[in-house]
Amino acid sequence: NAGVTQTPKFRVLKTGQSMTLLCAQDMNHEYMYWYRQDPGMGLRLIHYSVGEGTTAKGEVPDGYNVSRLKKQNFLLGLESAAPSQTSVYFCASNINSETQYFGPGTRLLVL
Amino acid sequence: GDSVTQMEGPVTLSEEAFLTINCTYTATGYPSLFWYVQYPGEGLQLLLKATKADDKGSNKGFEATYRKETTSFHLEKGSVQVSDSAVYFCALSESGANNLFFGTGTRLTVIP
Repeated sequence: NAGVTQTPKFRVLKTGQSMTLLCAQDMNHEYMYWYRQDPGMGLRLIHYSVGEGTTAKGEVPDGYNVSRLKKQNFLLGLESAAPSQTSVYFCASNINSETQYFGPGTRLLVL
Repeated sequence: GDSVTQMEGPVTLSEEAFLTINCTYTATGYPSLFWYVQYPGEGLQLLLKATKADDKGSNKGFEATYRKETTSFHLEKGSVQVSDSAVYFCALSESGANNLFFGTGTRLTVIP
């Protein structure tokens, strides 16, 4: 099993550009999450999904959209990137409220 | 609301030294508590967890005890190794909820 994978690993965007981050898991987990990690702030939840076709807002959802069209994939979209969205993005998945499994992260730089 | 406060870093220790990283929490219910570890260039991995008061989580020589009376979950290891150098995150999850609340992380560097 590959576990949780994220694509791309690193990306540079200009302000106003759009992009989509892809998270995939092969563990048949119902729940998936997107976090951002910023220096001195730990990880903060952006959006999450409790099953295929469902999404919900987390702590810091503004400026992001998500979709869960397939159970194994969870996409995070930035429609118009801003420098404040420079961060490291982590995807995670789990079953119910059990331990979350994290991907390796995507480093995003918005100029 | 729920929150986690953990010891500011960075922490630098010599090999075989004793490690303590403090973590306290605020929660409305009866949370589960976790320590995650992030090695350089990698995602977070679960280190240990405890799901109720007085439970002790342990793994790889690390231990933490769920103390409801002091709302704490301090991480300890009796003898650290260079390979323990990483960032350690304390986190909580409320019963029945799915999201984790993380502390800010503590960077540990162990020197030979």
